[in-house]
Amino acid sequence: EVQLVESGGGLVQPGGSLRLSCVGSEFSEFTFSRYWMSWVRQTPGKGLEWVAIIKHDGSEINYVGSVKGRFTISRDNAKNSLYLQMNSLTVEDTAVYYCARMNLPAAPPRYGMDVWGQGTTVTVSS
Amino acid sequence: DIQMTQSPSSLAASVGDRVTITCRASQGISSYLNWYQQKPGKAPRLLIYATTSLQSGVPSRFSGGGSGTYFTLTISSLQSEDFATYFCQQSYSTTLTFGGGTKVEI
Repeated sequence: EVQLVESGGGLVQPGGSLRLSCVGSEFSEFTFSRYWMSWVRQTPGKGLEWVAIIKHDGSEINYVGSVKGRFTISRDNAKNSLYLQMNSLTVEDTAVYYCARMNLPAAPPRYGMDVWGQGTTVTVSS
Repeated sequence: DIQMTQSPSSLAASVGDRVTITCRASQGISSYLNWYQQKPGKAPRLLIYATTSLQSGVPSRFSGGGSGTYFTLTISSLQSEDFATYFCQQSYSTTLTFGGGTKVEI
């Protein structure tokens, strides 16, 4: 079974930083390095919000406007791992953060997100 | 950014009912529209991608349609396990956006 497991969430004060990690399963059917990957967050008030995306080789990256300049997405294909460095956090960043695999290997990120992690909770509060 | 508007925000239905949820985009998105199901405390599940393509393992009672700015998700005969929240998501723009969700309740 293909799995993604997030970690790194927690309680942080406004202005602080956190680094989220997401590890893909080691099974052969999930060739992590062939897939675009995304981070998506969810709050009760705002529903689902896509945060960032990275191409399978790391050569293309994009962010939602509200996190540009504060968050950095990266990956290490040798470790089947995706990361989200979050700086200058505000209370509006409080959410459950999911990593998600973009559907279809080596395809443009047009076809949805077919594998999701269980989510990690980030709480920004003083 | 492209805004996605779902309607209704919630609906009540019974097992066996035919249910249709709509999603409108603020500009044309061709066929780059995806649908997800989410149950409480769980991650979303991809149901349909590229407007009409059923994701592997998803029951055939789910179907999608539309193009341009207007899209639909139809459940032909609602089952008990289908009570959940449904989200649309556009992937036409490099800035991906989701609809606000439709909660399907008993």
